[in-house]
Amino acid sequence: DVVMTQSPISLPVTLGQPATISCRSSQGLVHSDGNTYLGWFQQRPGQSPRRLIYQISNRASGVPDRFSGSGSGTDFTLKISRVEAEDVGVYYCMQGTHWPPYTFGQGTKLEIK
Amino acid sequence: EVQLVESGGGLVQPGGSLRLSCEASGLTFSSFSMNWVRQAPGKGLEWVSYISSSSNTIYYADSVKGRFTISRDNAKNSLYLQMNSLRADDTALYYCASGSGSSRIGFWGQGTLVTVSS
Repeated sequence: DVVMTQSPISLPVTLGQPATISCRSSQGLVHSDGNTYLGWFQQRPGQSPRRLIYQISNRASGVPDRFSGSGSGTDFTLKISRVEAEDVGVYYCMQGTHWPPYTFGQGTKLEIK
Repeated sequence: EVQLVESGGGLVQPGGSLRLSCEASGLTFSSFSMNWVRQAPGKGLEWVSYISSSSNTIYYADSVKGRFTISRDNAKNSLYLQMNSLRADDTALYYCASGSGSSRIGFWGQGTLVTVSS
């Protein structure tokens, strides 16, 4: 199974400042169809996960443009350009290229400093 | 608006069984693959099972293979998870999640809590 490793595990950020979360996969995530099925999910406190980013850099419907994704191969990044209070929560990367199973990173907890 | 509403969770003894349901609305259910994903208390996300739109293709995580059975009824816009031989480490919030060709997992329900304890 593909192992997804996120860093940092905890991320204290000042309001209005940028935040960066990294995700590394144990093998490359380019699918035979040419797409890279690497996505990001946000889970606010007490809520269900919500899709943020799919295929590395595509924002899901309704996701603010302060969220952006990048990367290739085995290294991927989620960036928040200016953190707002509503961004507090846990962020998970997930790979859907080499499945089953889909595998998630262990999560990064973003908090306001 | 897509809504996925899970039900059927509860407290069950080790070795017992439980059947989870997920009712979908706001999407053409019969066109979507579906998944179950679980989250143990205070832990991360673990994919459990997948079923294609027509039920032709089904996958399970190794941790539940042989014990859990996923199914769906497109006429009722419903997804199910039959869980047998439950263990303490199956204790988790179980989410129903729609499939997506582009992101693999799209929309999530609010979850139903399964607690396995004597």
